[in-house]
Order: sequence, then structure tokens, then C-alpha cells
Amino acid sequence: DVKVTQSSRYLVKRTGEKVFLECVQDMDHENMFWYRQDPGLGLRLIYFSYDVKMKEKGDIPEGYSVSREKKERFSLILESASTNQTSMYLCASSHPGVAGAFYNEQFFGPGTRLTVL
Amino acid sequence: QKEVEQNSGPLSVPEGAIASLNCTYSDRGSQSFFWYRQYSGKSPELIMSIYSNGDKEDGRFTAQLNKASQYVSLLIRDSQPSDSATYLCAVKPNQGGKLIFGQGTELSVKP
Repeated sequence: DVKVTQSSRYLVKRTGEKVFLECVQDMDHENMFWYRQDPGLGLRLIYFSYDVKMKEKGDIPEGYSVSREKKERFSLILESASTNQTSMYLCASSHPGVAGAFYNEQFFGPGTRLTVL
Repeated sequence: QKEVEQNSGPLSVPEGAIASLNCTYSDRGSQSFFWYRQYSGKSPELIMSIYSNGDKEDGRFTAQLNKASQYVSLLIRDSQPSDSATYLCAVKPNQGGKLIFGQGTELSVKP
């Protein structure tokens, strides 16, 4: 089974703190994603990565950065946390599939509920 | 127009009934389609994948895909209270490895 783990289930931080959210997957997936989920707004893609050292902005990258130094690990960084970044953060990974195959099923970690005070 | 649209619900069905969840998408070139189940406070869990037109059955779940109509659905037979959750439809567009998610349909199965 695919296993995606996230460093914390619950996190409370102060405004202005630098926050690191870690995600690790054990299935050798090339693709990794960070989302946030808020009531009424659905899943919103923050950043994603198709390979080590590679990153792409999603729909809402402002206020966030990412790091992917190893294939299995994808970190989300809040440079200076603000109250509007209080949310559920979800990491996911997927295999891109081979040519002619369409897969790309994403598997999610358990999520980190971040509260910024 | 949203890229992936679902009725937000809540959809309420009695225990033992068939629950029908619907999803439409805008990218005609989309190739892969997924249904996720998300319990309150938990992360999404993949329950069905479908890639070609027609039906795909897995236990009490049936996914239906009609690419000409750009429509994908999920049927849950013999609905149980444990099926009460939000169901997310996700579509892989023709280009790239991202998925586009709908807003989700909340399903409530009443005993």
C-alpha cells in the first residue's frame, strides 16, 4: 500500500513564525503535491513537484515555498505565518505512469491542521 | 465555468438505497477520472478510478464514464450510514500530472 506521512497532525504557531510542514512517501513516486483545504473552498493546490529539486507553483503559492531535496520528501514552508494560513494542509503523491498510460492517482497523507494565532 | 463541477448537496438517502453522485468536467481531452471519499476531519481516500467509457464496478461502488457528455458518476448500492462522507470527483486534464478536483458532494445516509 502507498504510504504518505506528514510530520504533524495538529500544529499551533504564532503569527510571524517560520513553519515547516514535512511530507514523506514510501512508494518511489515522482510527483508530489501540497494542498490546503478550507470549508467552502475545496482543495486548492499550493505547489507541486515532478522531480527532485524541481517545483512548480499551483493556484495559491503566495506566502509559501517548498523544498524537494530527496525524491521521497516534499516540504512546505510558511516563511512568516499569518492567521489567514490557518487551514488543513494535505500532501499527496502520484506516479506519472508510462507513455500511453493515464494513471496519476494521487494518494493523500493524513493532513496537518495548522492554527496560526 | 468551473473545470470540474459537482452538486454540493447535501444528498440524503435512506439506508439500503442507491446513492447517485454526479460530476461534469470541461476539458474534453481529459483521460483519467477518480472518486475520493473524505470523512469529516480526515484526508481524501481514493475509492475508484476509471479511464474508459462505460461502467466499472468494485463491490457496492460503480463508476460510470461518458466522455462524449463529459460526465462521470458514482453509484453506491445498498448505502450504509458509514458511507456518509463528502465525495470528491477528480479529473486529470490532457496535459500535466495535476488533478482538478470538484468541490465535493456531501452524502448523508439515514438509518
